[in-house]
Amino acid sequence: GQSLEQPSEVTAVEGAIVQINCTYQTSGFYGLSWYQQHDGGAPTFLSYNGLDGLEETGRFSSFLSRSDSYGYLLLQELQMKDSASYFCAVRGMNTGFQKLVFGTGTRLLVSP
Amino acid sequence: DTAVSQTPKYLVTQMGNDKSIKCEQNLGHDTMYWYKQDSKKFLKIMFSYNNKELIINETVPNRFSPKSPDKAHLNLHINSLELGDSAVYFCASSHGRTGGHNEQFFGPGTRLTVL
Repeated sequence: GQSLEQPSEVTAVEGAIVQINCTYQTSGFYGLSWYQQHDGGAPTFLSYNGLDGLEETGRFSSFLSRSDSYGYLLLQELQMKDSASYFCAVRGMNTGFQKLVFGTGTRLLVSP
Repeated sequence: DTAVSQTPKYLVTQMGNDKSIKCEQNLGHDTMYWYKQDSKKFLKIMFSYNNKELIINETVPNRFSPKSPDKAHLNLHINSLELGDSAVYFCASSHGRTGGHNEQFFGPGTRLTVL
């Protein structure tokens, strides 16, 4: 099967930089995605790494290392509105068409 | 315009009742999903349909029955509701390309409370 582990909670202050890690156990997948979910809201797509390395999208960057079974989401210049839950997810090659497996989720709390 | 919509947003019902949740997407996607998010916020797929065909059916009690009348709609019917069914149910949609990245777009969720 597949499992993706994340820290349960991360705290930081406005303007800081925070890294949310995702370690996984899976045999073959198309790429690593990141989704953001505010309390009471729906998950929304943030970033995708199909290849190893860093992908940058504004204040957010995501990294993947398949050899280390590891990825992370980097949030820079934190704002209060970044307080949310963040999920990594993979779509396995052998686990069924279009099946997205989500990580355990990390709650980010940004304080003033 | 709402891309993925679900009704109702809240559903409170008694144990043993039967209820349905409806989902519609106007993104032109051919693949739709139902997810369950529990109280610990763990998000787990339940079902997926591609072009009205069931392609993912996780280990879900057969009290849960999805139905896709067309590519833009995916409904979820739940029979004999149990306390453990209380959760937030999300509908999502995406393109169904076989390789690479297919961003999933989620509906606003339906919070089901079984009393």
